[in-house]
Amino acid sequence: EPEVTQTPSHQVTQMGQEVILRCVPISNHLYFYWYRQILGQKVEFLVSFYNNEISEKSEIFDDQFSVERPDGSNFTLKIRSTKLEDSAMYFCASKHTGAVATNEKLFFGSGTQLSVL
Amino acid sequence: AQTVTQSQPEMSVQEAETVTLSCTYDTSESNYYLFWYKQPPSRQMILVIRQEAYKQQNATENRFSVNFQKAAKSFSLKISDSQLGDTAMYFCAYNGGSQGNLIFGKGTKLSVKP
Repeated sequence: EPEVTQTPSHQVTQMGQEVILRCVPISNHLYFYWYRQILGQKVEFLVSFYNNEISEKSEIFDDQFSVERPDGSNFTLKIRSTKLEDSAMYFCASKHTGAVATNEKLFFGSGTQLSVL
Repeated sequence: AQTVTQSQPEMSVQEAETVTLSCTYDTSESNYYLFWYKQPPSRQMILVIRQEAYKQQNATENRFSVNFQKAAKSFSLKISDSQLGDTAMYFCAYNGGSQGNLIFGKGTKLSVKP
């Protein structure tokens, strides 16, 4: 089965630093997502991305966050000036289409555990 | 706004027994999907089963089945013949938007005991 790849698996950073989390979605997928999960809590939607622009974002996704698809394969999440509360597992996901009227599976990566010290 | 509620933070079951995890949701949409995801200690998100709201027939995947009650907005997961490898967090999730983003419940931690 095809996989979404995320790097690094663990990232440790100092508060106030910038981090970039990287994802390689499945090659023929068109819709990309970032989710996060604070330890012990539920998985929360951050942002969806289609056709080189953000299609939807949650309240969590403020000006501190940005996403980019710098080339044909990578999809990145940048967090500027990290805060302690940004410590979480960040999941990338991709899907071929965005329509609800399909039974298409959303593929998740293995996650990047971000620790802000 | 859509919400997903899992009222059982933790459950346990004996190996080979059957367990049911509860999930309720709130939406005004008529067309949507519901999912159960399994998250083992590795924290990988693994799709267990999905249900299309317009289908009356309950979805089944091997030992996993759902009881989908659309009018009651209830979507429970039944695991039959529980195995030690079923030990994990289980998240119920809803997708009703056009962009495919999921709304998750808080999860139920399932422990299968030998």
